[in-house]
This record gives sequence, C-alpha cells and structure tokens, in this order.
Amino acid sequence: DAKTTQPTSMDCAEGRAANLPCNHSTISGNEYVYWYRQIHSQGPQYIIHGLKNNETNEMASLIITEDRKSSTLILPHATLRDTAVYYCIVRDQAGGTSYGKLTFGQGTILTVHP
Amino acid sequence: DGGITQSPKYLFRKEGQNVTLSCEQNLNHDAMYWYRQDPGQGLRLIYYSQIVNDFQKGDIAEGYSVSREKKESFPLTVTSAQKNPTAFYLCASRETGYTEAFFGQGTRLTVV
Repeated sequence: DAKTTQPTSMDCAEGRAANLPCNHSTISGNEYVYWYRQIHSQGPQYIIHGLKNNETNEMASLIITEDRKSSTLILPHATLRDTAVYYCIVRDQAGGTSYGKLTFGQGTILTVHP
Repeated sequence: DGGITQSPKYLFRKEGQNVTLSCEQNLNHDAMYWYRQDPGQGLRLIYYSQIVNDFQKGDIAEGYSVSREKKESFPLTVTSAQKNPTAFYLCASRETGYTEAFFGQGTRLTVV
C-alpha cells in the first residue's frame, strides 16, 4: 500500500469548514483513498473513499487532486463532536502482496473549538 | 441489528497469563482484523484473516495468536511472550472488495 503523510494536528472553529490534507505521492493507478475517524476510546468509523473523482456524502467531501498525489477531506460545518483523529489510508483492493491488509498511519488530531 | 462486537470492554490480567479477546461479527464479512493502539498512537496491525481457517501476520504479530474456525469469530490470544501487552485492542471486519471496514468498540487490556 502507498504511504500517506498527514499533519499531526489541526484546529478548527465550530461552524467553519475543516480541511484535512493528506499526501500520497506514491499512489498507484488502482489504489483508492479512504478516510476514517476515531473518537477517543472508540473504534474508527468509515467516512468516505474515492479513486479519482471528488466524492461527497452526508458526512464529508473528498477532493482528490488531478495527479492523485494528494487529497483533502472537508467537513463543511465542523461541530464539537467532530473532534477526533482522522486517518487517511491508500490501498489496493484488487491484489498485490498487501492484499487483505488494512494499514493505518498516525492520523491527524482535529480539535474543534467553540 | 448487524455489527461487530468485542468483549469484554475492560480486561485485567496478571503478568505471565495468557488472555483471549473475543471478536464476533454478524455482517457475513469474509475478512477480519486485529489492531493494537497505544496512547497517542495510530493503529498497528497484529493479524488478519481473509477467509475461514486462514490468517496472516500483520506488522506486530509476535506474542499474539489467532484462530478463524468460524466466519463470524476471530479471537485474539495475548500470550505471556508479548512483552508489553497493556493496550487498546480493536477488531474490524470487511467484505472483500472495494468496501469500508467496520470496527468494534475495542477492549482495553491492562496487565499488572
């Protein structure tokens, strides 16, 4: 799986958009970008994933650059409950030596302030 | 109500004892995973299984063992060979293919 790089921590004001970046410069053509978040002492929760087109669901939007070397997760109106660790993962689902593995990095600690 | 269940939520054991953590899912998922998380750290993969009766070592398998005798169950045994077993343990499952993983609520193991 391609390695990802995320900032260690970020702050955001409540009600504003939170933009969380992720670099994945070694991503290959058939690898997807996944985002999860983990609220303190709970299991991670899936947020969104994409291949090359921008994606949006009820939780967030995912913007992937044209060269696919980076992406941004956008929480459009952050609330205090969005305070969590956000993980960006890149993986190939279809084969290769890492087939089946799901590897998480350190993630970004997002703190939403009142 | 489908989901993935880990039990117990908190577990205390004496040093030198083996302990088994339970993970059960009723989502009919083929793949299951065990992770370890230390304070302020990300998740590290211990073992994973893509199908019944088959499992693979993750990045930190030493001192741990697993079994996958049934599709819905993937118990993790923390053996006395694990030098620093106190941690938060998370189990996950997913269908093979382009799908997300579902996580349990975790078991916090404390060895004294």
